[in-house]
Parts: sequence; C-alpha cells; structure tokens
Amino acid sequence: DVLMTQTPVSLPVSLGGQVSISCRSSQSLVHSDGNTYLHWYLQKPGQSPQLLIYRVSNRFSGVPDRFSGSGSGTDFTLKISRVEPEDLGVYYCLQSTHFPPTFGSGTKLEIK
Amino acid sequence: QVKLLQSGAALVKPGDSVKMSCKASGYTFTDYIIHWVKQSHGKSLEWIGYINPYSGGTNYNEKFKSKATLTVDKSSSTAYMEFSRLTSEDSAIYYCARGWFAYWGQGTLVTVSS
Repeated sequence: DVLMTQTPVSLPVSLGGQVSISCRSSQSLVHSDGNTYLHWYLQKPGQSPQLLIYRVSNRFSGVPDRFSGSGSGTDFTLKISRVEPEDLGVYYCLQSTHFPPTFGSGTKLEIK
Repeated sequence: QVKLLQSGAALVKPGDSVKMSCKASGYTFTDYIIHWVKQSHGKSLEWIGYINPYSGGTNYNEKFKSKATLTVDKSSSTAYMEFSRLTSEDSAIYYCARGWFAYWGQGTLVTVSS
C-alpha cells in the first residue's frame, strides 16, 4: 500500500496567520491517465471529513480561496492563509491513484 | 443537495455481526460508487471497500475482505455494510462516502463490548 506521510502532526497557528501542511507519498501519485489523484480533507471536531481540494490543486465547491494546494509526484502541500476559527480541526491527505486508497495520518490545526 | 444519511449507533457483542446503512438522496444513486471508511477512536482513516450501485460490483481492501460485506438496495437508494465476527478492534466510526470521497455520511459509531 502507498504510505502517506503528513507533517507536522500538530500545527499551532494564530488567527489571521498562514500555515502549510506537507504530505509525502511512498511512490509517485501520477496515474497512467496523466492525472494525480491527491486530495485534501478537513475533519472538524465531531464531524465527517469534508473535501477541500481535489486532484492536487482544485478547490471543491464552496471552499474559500484561502485554501490552496500544490505539488507533484510524491510531494504535496496544502496552504491556508488568513486562518479563521472555522479552519480548526484535523487535515488529511488522501491518494486514490493506487489501490487501495490510503490516507495520511492527519495534521491537527489548533490555536496558538 | 447530495445527502448520505447513515444509521444510528450500535452496541454489539464480541463475535456478533452488525449491519449499517447509508441512504442516499439528492442525486441518481446508481451514478456513483459508494465507499466505506473506518475511523478508530482518535485515529486516521482506513478505506474498507466500495460498491458500484449500478452493477453491484465490489472491491475490498485486502485487510477487510473477510470482515466486510457490501450490498445495495437500488429501490431505496441505500447502501449497506455488514461487519462480521466483531472484536474490540472493530469499535470505530464507519463512514460512507460518494464517488471519489466528495460527499460523506455523518458516520455510524459501532461499539463492541460484552
């Protein structure tokens, strides 16, 4: 299975600040169809995960432009600018290029 | 709008089975596969498998092949997952998700305890 390594585990942030979360895969996530199936989710306390970014850099419907994704191959980053209270929770990356789909271990965004 | 409504929490005994449901609305049920994902307490997410509601075809994570059985009822737009021979390790929240995980149900908490 593809191992997804997220760093850091915990990320203290000041409201209004900017943060980056890293997600590295144990093998390239470029699919044979040319797409890269790396996605980002936020799980708020007591809620289901919600899709933020799909296929590396595409914001899902309703996701503010404070969220941006980048990367290629095995190295990916989620950036959050102007952090708001509603952004707090655990962020996960997911790869669905290879079978089985695998998730990162999560990064907890919390108030400094 | 797309909604996935999952069945309520279950308390089951070790060795028993549990069957949970995921009722879809707001879209054509047979147009998208349904995934099932496990989240143990305070931990990350594990993919269990998916079912194609149109064909009934399934694909499982090797780890859950002998544990999970996925089915659908097209007439009620509902997907089901049965988890068998339960142990304490199966205590978790189980989510259903549509398509490539764009929409998720609210989760079903399963507690395995004697």
